[in-house]
Formats: sequence, structure tokens, C-alpha cells
Amino acid sequence: GAGVSQSPSNKVTEKGKDVELRCDPISGHTALYWYRQRLGQGLEFLIYFQGNSAPDKSGLPSDRFSAERTGESVSTLTIQRTQQEDSAVYLCASSRTSGGEDTQYFGPGTRLTVL
Amino acid sequence: AQSVTQLDSQVPVFEEAPVELRCNYSSSVSVYLFWYVQYPNQGLQLLLKYLSGSTLVKGINGFEAEFNKSQTSFHLRKPSVHISDTAEYFCAFCRSNTGFQKLVFGTGTRLLVSP
Repeated sequence: GAGVSQSPSNKVTEKGKDVELRCDPISGHTALYWYRQRLGQGLEFLIYFQGNSAPDKSGLPSDRFSAERTGESVSTLTIQRTQQEDSAVYLCASSRTSGGEDTQYFGPGTRLTVL
Repeated sequence: AQSVTQLDSQVPVFEEAPVELRCNYSSSVSVYLFWYVQYPNQGLQLLLKYLSGSTLVKGINGFEAEFNKSQTSFHLRKPSVHISDTAEYFCAFCRSNTGFQKLVFGTGTRLLVSP
């Protein structure tokens, strides 16, 4: 079956603009995660969704970052008033359940460049 | 603070030689441990994971890892590497007592296999 897909694959924007990144999880996966990977660094957890429960937003770096997910479908990550330090690869992952023993399946990422 | 240390940013090795990629973690509670691989221009893929039981874990593509609780390590090994193993390898963990899999990643080790 299809894996996790993300769009766009690349996004170049100007400082101060808003951007929206999209993630399509694997069908039937209830858990969805967003991560950020800055150049030369590991992945940083941003936000987690599980079904219709309130998301865990503990990793969002500032109030310019927000994300939505309707049920167990598509999720969008929005960055308002982008800054140069937001330049990174944004990765989405989904898993069948939220259990720690489950496997997260990652999408190919969206490379964001803020000029 | 919880963290993962991958001391080697890059490991060059010749084809058919053995390799070990080091990973140490810091956590005050019990954890689940993971190794992910990222091939060029592809998303992250799970290599193997340790949840409980035997400390020696076997994964895909001939890789294995050993959990050492006293040394808080989870080193990845392969007895004979192939050119196709050239990729970036990420060690990660999550706390085993939380309701979801909030992964903490290392900064990655780039494995370069040459003929």
C-alpha cells in the first residue's frame, strides 16, 4: 500500500511569509507525528496527534507554529511569519497505534528554505 | 535531560569490512530503543528496535544491535557491509512508560562504504 506522503517536496519562501505543509498518513494509522530536521542535527519532535484526542504540542518551538488534523486523515503544519531559522526538512510520520512499541513510518519530508 | 549521543558523525569503511556505529542515550526511566536508516533521497526506515527481552536485536539487511543497560548504549553492528549500506543512520529512543512514542533522536552517523 501507499506510504506516508508529504507535499510540497520543496518550498522556498521569503522571510515573513506564511507556509503550509501537508502530510497524508498511511490509511488506518491513528497516530501522526511531525518532526523538524535542521542541517547537521537530529530530528526534533514537534507535535503528535492521536485520533480525536487533543494533540501534544510540547515540541512546537514558538506560537508561529501550529498544526491541524481532522480525525485520522490529512494533517497540515503551518508556520506563520517565517524566519530564516525555520529553514529545515519537516518530516511527518504515522503509526498504527500510539504505543511506544509500535513502528513509525516516515514520509520523504518537505525541505523548507526561508530566504 | 533526555538525549542521544552518536559520537561519530561519519564512518568510512571498505566493502565487506565489519562496522559498528555507536549510540549512547541518557534517560532516568526505562526506554525503547530504535535504529533508523535514511538512504539518499529517501525517507527514514526502521532498521531494528529493542523493546524488552534479549539484549541482542536483529534487524533488516543483516544489521544487529546490542542493548547494554549498564553502559546506556545501543550500538549497531554489521559483520560485512555492502556498497548499498551507504546511508545516514539515526539512533533514537522513547520512554516506555508514556502514552505515545515521542522519539528523541541522535544527530546521525553517515556510513560511507567504498570498494
